[in-house]
Amino acid sequence: NAGVTQTPKFRVLKTGQSMTLLCAQDMNHEYMYWYRQDPGMGLRLIHYSVGEGTTAKGEVPDGYNVSRLKKQNFLLGLESAAPSQTSVYFCASSQTGLAGSNTGELFFGEGSRLTVL
Amino acid sequence: GNSVTQMEGPVTLSEEAFLTINCTYTATGYPSLFWYVQYPGEGLQLLLKATKADDKGSNKGFEATYRKETTSFHLEKGSVQVSDSAVYFCALRAGGTSYGKLTFGQGTILTVHP
Repeated sequence: NAGVTQTPKFRVLKTGQSMTLLCAQDMNHEYMYWYRQDPGMGLRLIHYSVGEGTTAKGEVPDGYNVSRLKKQNFLLGLESAAPSQTSVYFCASSQTGLAGSNTGELFFGEGSRLTVL
Repeated sequence: GNSVTQMEGPVTLSEEAFLTINCTYTATGYPSLFWYVQYPGEGLQLLLKATKADDKGSNKGFEATYRKETTSFHLEKGSVQVSDSAVYFCALRAGGTSYGKLTFGQGTILTVHP
């Protein structure tokens, strides 16, 4: 029962370094999302994808890029990390469907804790 | 735009106490409402949901009723356990073509002592 798997789970970067977070889901979900979680601010949507080959900006997209080359994978990239990007990152996926039939449940990974010094 | 506001935390209770975590929302149209729970070191998982006004979601002894007139979705449990210690998030999904995106509240930390 893998569900949604994120790698790596922990990473420390220096300002200006780049890195990629990988998210993989085995539920054949169409929709995938990247959120960041910061104290007192809940979860905020960075980018999302409604299918293979598509991506769209969320609430806080600046400084991040994403790619969805395969349906099961959703990559989040930081080209030049900044201390403001220190956060816990969560990937999630959900099933698609018409608005009335989509249950709305998101399935989350365990999170990736990123520290930028 | 859409927004969710939760009561300030953290909340500390003794075992078997009554729990209420307030949640109010702002949204256009007819959103669906959710409570997610995050146990220490884990990702979020769905606790309960309601998709239309006056619906009551329930799971594991927790309940919440979708109140359109007060734009609220308060979480309640009659008798909490130590194992309920977690962070609780209220969230909404806008009606129409939202692509499943959720808007989350800031989260409420609950600690239950024996």
